[in-house]
Amino acid sequence: SQTIHQWPATLVQPVGSPLSLECTVEGTSNPNLYWYRQAAGRGLQLLFYSVGIGQISSEVPQNLSASRPQDRQFILSSKKLLLSDSGFYLCAWSPRQPVLKFAEAFFGQGTRLTVV
Amino acid sequence: AQSVAQPEDQVNVAEGNPLTVKCTYSVSGNPYLFWYVQYPNRGLQFLLKYITGDNLVKGSYGFEAEFNKSQTSFHLKKPSALVSDSALYFCAVRDNGDSSYKLIFGSGTRLLVRP
Repeated sequence: SQTIHQWPATLVQPVGSPLSLECTVEGTSNPNLYWYRQAAGRGLQLLFYSVGIGQISSEVPQNLSASRPQDRQFILSSKKLLLSDSGFYLCAWSPRQPVLKFAEAFFGQGTRLTVV
Repeated sequence: AQSVAQPEDQVNVAEGNPLTVKCTYSVSGNPYLFWYVQYPNRGLQFLLKYITGDNLVKGSYGFEAEFNKSQTSFHLKKPSALVSDSALYFCAVRDNGDSSYKLIFGSGTRLLVRP
């Protein structure tokens, strides 16, 4: 069965420090991968998605970047964190094969980032 | 562009009563609709989806949703609410515009079930 791992669960970082959040998926290949941010316990904003290794699409301009160095690994990064980067970050995956395009997306447990 | 609206920030219901969480959508083409639930400081859990076929979709934990094409709605329902159903609920639509299959989420509705 497929599983998604996201770490760390919580993170407190000072303003101006770098960030690296990692997400890995097991039990599937060629997944679509996503990073969402949830601010103030409410709506989900799609930050990045990837349909393949090295292929990253950004949904909104921001202080963050994403990379996909391996098929099932998705990394969210920042060179210098801002206070406004605080939030709950969620990684998700969905099958990429066209025949499975109706499948739901599966979410990790999230990372609570507090920038101080 | 696809979009989803959840008009209620919060829904309050007494335990044992039926509950409804509202969702309306706007899509080009066929709608692929989803409901997720989120408990505090956790990821989203899939509840149910509508792809095609029967307008009444049954999902996890006794939840169901009714797809109404003419009203462009996909309301989440449960005949008898439990206190443990208290959580944040998200409606989502799949973007059919490209191969990313990304989900576009509503703003969420907080469900509070009173004992």
